[in-house]
Amino acid sequence: GAVVSQHPSRVICKSGTSVKIECRSLDFQATTMFWYRQFPKKSLMLMATSNEGSKATYEQGVEKDKFLINHASLTLSTLTVTSAHPEDSSFYICSARLVSGGGANNEQFFGPGTRLTVL
Amino acid sequence: TQLLEQSPQFLSIQEGENLTVYCNSSSVFSSLQWYRQEPGEGPVLLVTVVTGGEVKKLKRLTFQFGDARKDSSLHITAAQPGDTGLYLCAGEYGNQFYFGTGTSLTVIP
Repeated sequence: GAVVSQHPSRVICKSGTSVKIECRSLDFQATTMFWYRQFPKKSLMLMATSNEGSKATYEQGVEKDKFLINHASLTLSTLTVTSAHPEDSSFYICSARLVSGGGANNEQFFGPGTRLTVL
Repeated sequence: TQLLEQSPQFLSIQEGENLTVYCNSSSVFSSLQWYRQEPGEGPVLLVTVVTGGEVKKLKRLTFQFGDARKDSSLHITAAQPGDTGLYLCAGEYGNQFYFGTGTSLTVIP
C-alpha cells in the first residue's frame, strides 16, 4: 500500500511556542491531504482538508489562524500549531488521498501520527 | 460534520467468541471504510465498501454496507487476542472522510 510519513513522531514544547508537523506521501502524489486530531481512546476528528496549491478547508469550530496548513507540493502538507497551549496537546494524524481510476474507490492512507505535548 | 455512531463503544470478550460492531448514520455516504488502530499509531485500512448491500469478507472479518448506504457492520468470527484494538468506521461524504465514534475491542486469551 501507499506510504505516508509524519515528522516529528513526538514533540514536547513550552506554552506559547509554535510547532510544525510535516506529512509526506512517500510513493505517490496526493492532491488532497487531511489533518485529524485524536484524544486518548477517542475517535479521529477531522480538522481540515489540505488541497495542493490552494487554501485549506477547515471544519466548523477549528481555528484557521491557530492551525495553519500549507500544502506546498503534491507530496507535502504541513500543520503549524501556533502559540500552542496545554489544551492543544493531542495526537495529530494526517492522511493522503489516493484517487483510483474513476474516483469510485478513493482510499486514504494514514501517517503514523504525531504526539504533541504542550507544557 | 457528518455523525457516525458506533456501538458498542467498548467490548471485552473471551478468545473464540463472535462479535458484531455497528456503524450508523443518518447521512448517505458514497463509500465507507473500516480501520483498526493500535495505540500510538495511525489507523490501518481493513476494507472499503461502496455499493449498498455489499458484503466483503477478510478472513474472519465480514463487512456489510447497508442497502441505503447509511450504515455498516463488522462481524468477527472466533476472535483472537490479535484482534484487540480500536475499530473505526469512516464515511466518505463529499470530498471528506468522517470517522465514527470508535469501538475499543479487547479479546482476552
